[in-house]
Amino acid sequence: GENVEQHPSTLSVQEGDSAVIKCTYSDSASNYFPWYKQELGKGPQLIIDIRSNVGEKKDQRIAVTLNKTAKHFSLHITETQPEDSAVYFCAASPTGANSKLTFGKGITLSVRP
Amino acid sequence: GAGVSQTPSNKVTEKGKYVELRCDPISGHTALYWYRQSLGQGPEFLIYFQGTGAADDSGLPNDRFFAVRPEGSVSTLKIQRTERGDSAVYLCASSRGGTGYNEQFFGPGTRLTVL
Repeated sequence: GENVEQHPSTLSVQEGDSAVIKCTYSDSASNYFPWYKQELGKGPQLIIDIRSNVGEKKDQRIAVTLNKTAKHFSLHITETQPEDSAVYFCAASPTGANSKLTFGKGITLSVRP
Repeated sequence: GAGVSQTPSNKVTEKGKYVELRCDPISGHTALYWYRQSLGQGPEFLIYFQGTGAADDSGLPNDRFFAVRPEGSVSTLKIQRTERGDSAVYLCASSRGGTGYNEQFFGPGTRLTVL
């Protein structure tokens, strides 16, 4: 089955700096890659996703890039703010969103004011 | 509109007891998923419903776990003879279903503690 790995496990940045979170996946059939943000005591919230037919997608301060050949995708957050502090999960799905998501272990992002 | 809701938010039970966890999906969402999240880990898939039927139950760890969705809306996850290792946050998600890629919207989860 699919295996998704996230690196690093923790990341601390200064407010205003950029943060980059990387994920790799193993199943070449995966074609849907969402990113979720989880705050303490809450469920994961989708922040951006990318399909395999595009290499990059941007939404304001957040962008995601996908390299299908290397089987990795990355989340880029620019101009980080303290409210960006949370746990971020990447996930992959082999048959689209109407199928099970395989999640990475998550990364704890801390933005220092 | 209202998001995915889950009840109870917390459940403490004793080893060997039976528990039921409830999920109310977003109105009109035909697809419903259950995941389990252990401390410091990402959510792990348990079961997926499309309408009333379980389309994929490959993530259920053993036959103590069972889920139903009798009317294609509310779902109940049932755990028999609970074990301490079942302690985790149980997350429910729903999506619009149909063709294409539909985002999964998660509820706040039920934190299950088995003593």
